[in-house]
Amino acid sequence: ETGVTQSPTHLIKTRGQQVTLRCSSQSGHNTVSWYQQALGQGPQFIFQYYREEENGRGNFPPRFSGLQFPNYSSELNVNALELDDSALYLCASSTGQEAPYNEQFFGPGTRLTVL
Amino acid sequence: AQRVTQPEKLLSVFKGAPVELKCNYSYSGSPELFWYVQYSRQRLQLLLRHISRESIKGFTADLNKGETSFHLKKPFAQEEDSAMYYCASTSGGGADGLTFGKGTHLIIQP
Repeated sequence: ETGVTQSPTHLIKTRGQQVTLRCSSQSGHNTVSWYQQALGQGPQFIFQYYREEENGRGNFPPRFSGLQFPNYSSELNVNALELDDSALYLCASSTGQEAPYNEQFFGPGTRLTVL
Repeated sequence: AQRVTQPEKLLSVFKGAPVELKCNYSYSGSPELFWYVQYSRQRLQLLLRHISRESIKGFTADLNKGETSFHLKKPFAQEEDSAMYYCASTSGGGADGLTFGKGTHLIIQP
């Protein structure tokens, strides 16, 4: 069984640009969550997708959007990048609609730097 | 809104000494609580959760609703326990995800 993978590992963008981060969940996991982790902080919940539909969202503006595909892959899209978007972005896969109750399997993260 | 507070950014103890990592939560309902751990060069992983009432790697955590705390304890620290520890809570369902504290860096000195 393969673990959660994320790509790319590192990314540098400039203010105003758009970025797409990718995640491949563990096989059989129908729920994916995305988190933003700023330096020195704990992960902060962005949103969760269950069976290809968003079913939970944290305090993030609409320029943060996502997609989940039937093949257990997912994307996090961020439009109009701001300097404060610089962070480590983590995806976590699990099973079930009430996923936070279940063990979350985290990927290694994508480090985004916005200049 | 939920909030999880870990008051210690860094905790250093000697091998064999007891360890207690503090966690306080604020939520008016009945949250579920977790401890996640990140060892050096590894990804974030679940250590234990309140609903399972289990002991993992010698660690236990007791939920104290009166003090709204979920402190992580281990009677005898080992060097391999050195890691970053995050307390997390969820109100349930997919709506809120996990709310994490800022983390405590635990260093076990030989």
